[in-house]
Amino acid sequence: QVQLVESGGGVVQPGRSLRLSCAASGFTFSSYGMHWVRQAPGKGLEWVGVISHDGNTKHYADPVKGRLTISRDNSKNTLYLQIDSLRAEDTAVYYCAKEVTAVAGPNYFDYWGPGTLVTVSS
Amino acid sequence: DIQLTQSPSFLSASVGDSVTITCRASQGISSYLGWYQQKPGKAPKLLIYAASTLQSGVPSRFSGSGSGTVFTLTISSLQPEDFATYYCQQPNTYPLTFGPGTKVDIK
Repeated sequence: QVQLVESGGGVVQPGRSLRLSCAASGFTFSSYGMHWVRQAPGKGLEWVGVISHDGNTKHYADPVKGRLTISRDNSKNTLYLQIDSLRAEDTAVYYCAKEVTAVAGPNYFDYWGPGTLVTVSS
Repeated sequence: DIQLTQSPSFLSASVGDSVTITCRASQGISSYLGWYQQKPGKAPKLLIYAASTLQSGVPSRFSGSGSGTVFTLTISSLQPEDFATYYCQQPNTYPLTFGPGTKVDIK
């Protein structure tokens, strides 16, 4: 069955960097675009960014553009999110999510990981 | 960016009630709209995509409708496991966006 498991979260000082990972299994990882979505404590869902199945195309939300980098290693079935210059407002649970279809089209998310909490605090 | 608003923000209902949540888009998005359910401490779950198509495994008491700028999610005969927060999402134009959520609570 499809499984997504995030890791790499924790307490980080402002200004530092962090790399989150999302290990995927149970589907052909290299065929699907993958997304990151975050949720600040007690708040709603915020889309962060996407990477295409082959890693060649990426899009980011404006608030994080320039500080976040999404990458993937299809040989390891793993998705990554690098966050630089961490700010207090980056404190959130970060989810990786799989697109519903392997073909280009609307980006709905049918599988999500359980999330990993990033807390930015000195 | 396409903004999504939801109403109401909070809804109190009883088991067996029928409830409707509305999502409005700041511009027309055809039928490109999804609905997700999220329970505390859990990841969201896709309920409906393409405005009205039920995701596999989702009970038929959930239904969606709408197109353009106004969409609705209806839960007929609320069950105890349906008390959660519901989000709409537009999937077609970057940046992808979610509505602010509607919390459905037990009366």
